[in-house]
Amino acid sequence: GNSVTQMEGPVTLSEEAFLTINCTYTATGYPSLFWYVQYPGEGLQLLLKATKADDKGSNKGFEATYRKETTSFHLEKGSVQVSDSAVYFCAPQESNTGKLIFGQGTTLQVKP
Amino acid sequence: DGGITQSPKYLFRKEGQNVTLSCEQNLNHDAMYWYRQDPGQGLRLIYYSQIVNDFQKGDIAEGYSVSREKKESFPLTVTSAQKNPTAFYLCASSRTGANEQYFGPGTRLTVT
Repeated sequence: GNSVTQMEGPVTLSEEAFLTINCTYTATGYPSLFWYVQYPGEGLQLLLKATKADDKGSNKGFEATYRKETTSFHLEKGSVQVSDSAVYFCAPQESNTGKLIFGQGTTLQVKP
Repeated sequence: DGGITQSPKYLFRKEGQNVTLSCEQNLNHDAMYWYRQDPGQGLRLIYYSQIVNDFQKGDIAEGYSVSREKKESFPLTVTSAQKNPTAFYLCASSRTGANEQYFGPGTRLTVT
């Protein structure tokens, strides 16, 4: 079945460090791909998306490129801030149902 | 001010009682979803509805029921048949099943 694998957390970085959170997926067809962010005790917020191969999604300094050949959608940010501390979820979407496929998420901790 | 509202934020129930969680959206979205999140884990789909008066089971529907009588509303009932109901419940909606989903703030249910 469809699935997603994210790097194990927590990822701990100093402020202004470079961030990469790896995400690979298995899915039938060509799913849309999303990154969501969850702050403690809250719902998920859409961070960015890409709907076809080679698309780059970007928002708030975060970027991810849809790599069909490697079925990956790695999240990057050039300079993290303490306020970026949260749990990040990569989620491919089944095209027929709209269902999002979630992994366990990656916790990011940014220290001042 | 458009968005998704879930109420209440915290809910406490005794074992053996049914409880209904509210989800309302004023985004004019056709599709709505219910997810369950357990500590340190990703989200799992309970039920979804792509149109009024129609809904489908997700991956973990046992012990839950839903209705979709109005476009704006998609209440979830956690029945006494759900063996482990304590969790964080998240509602989401999207314009159609093929678009990005927007999440509500969640309801944390504790059953003792």
